[in-house]
Amino acid sequence: QVQLKETGPGLVQPTQTLSITCTVSGFSLTSYYMQWVRQTPGKGLEWMGFIRSGGSTEYNSEFKSRLSISRDTSKNQVFLKMNSLKTEDTGVYYCARDLQDWGQGVMVTVSS
Amino acid sequence: DVLMTQTPVSLPVSLGGQVSISCRSSQSLVHSDGNTYLHWYLQKPGQSPQLLIYRVSNRFSGVPDRFSGSGSGTDFTLKISRVEPEDLGVYYCLQSTHFPLTFGSGTKLEIK
Repeated sequence: QVQLKETGPGLVQPTQTLSITCTVSGFSLTSYYMQWVRQTPGKGLEWMGFIRSGGSTEYNSEFKSRLSISRDTSKNQVFLKMNSLKTEDTGVYYCARDLQDWGQGVMVTVSS
Repeated sequence: DVLMTQTPVSLPVSLGGQVSISCRSSQSLVHSDGNTYLHWYLQKPGQSPQLLIYRVSNRFSGVPDRFSGSGSGTDFTLKISRVEPEDLGVYYCLQSTHFPLTFGSGTKLEIK
């Protein structure tokens, strides 16, 4: 059974770095693209980027300068790191397998 | 970026009725490989988006045949017939032909 679960800090201060982990089961990260999508009150659903089955990455230029996606295949985990956070980055962050199967999402609030 | 325009924003419907949602893109979604990467999602309250239709007209696994997708180029439609209570929520279109991937702003299906 395919499962994806995001875990993150919940609350992050402005200018700090956000780190979210997506832990998966039921499939291999080397066989699928893993995507990150966020949903914010201001912009709705936004595609952030993905890591391909082979390990290369593609980012939305909107985030490119401050976003990093990586993975640890031995731990079945995919990571999102985004720095220089602003209040507008408040929202729910999702990981998704090929944009077919999605995690439940993790709520992130950027506030001092 | 490709702008995805969904109409209407809100769609009142009677249970058992039929509705159509429109999604228009600011440029053609025909990929150089000949495929059209336009997909439809439903986000039920408190849940992550779930894939309904991929590549214009293909129902995802487990999606009832009450849902159908059509269109080409820049103009696409999702039709829902015999609406059931479980169909209520917000519908989004997504294009993955061009980078960055972009979502429509959503259509909320609600009971009349």
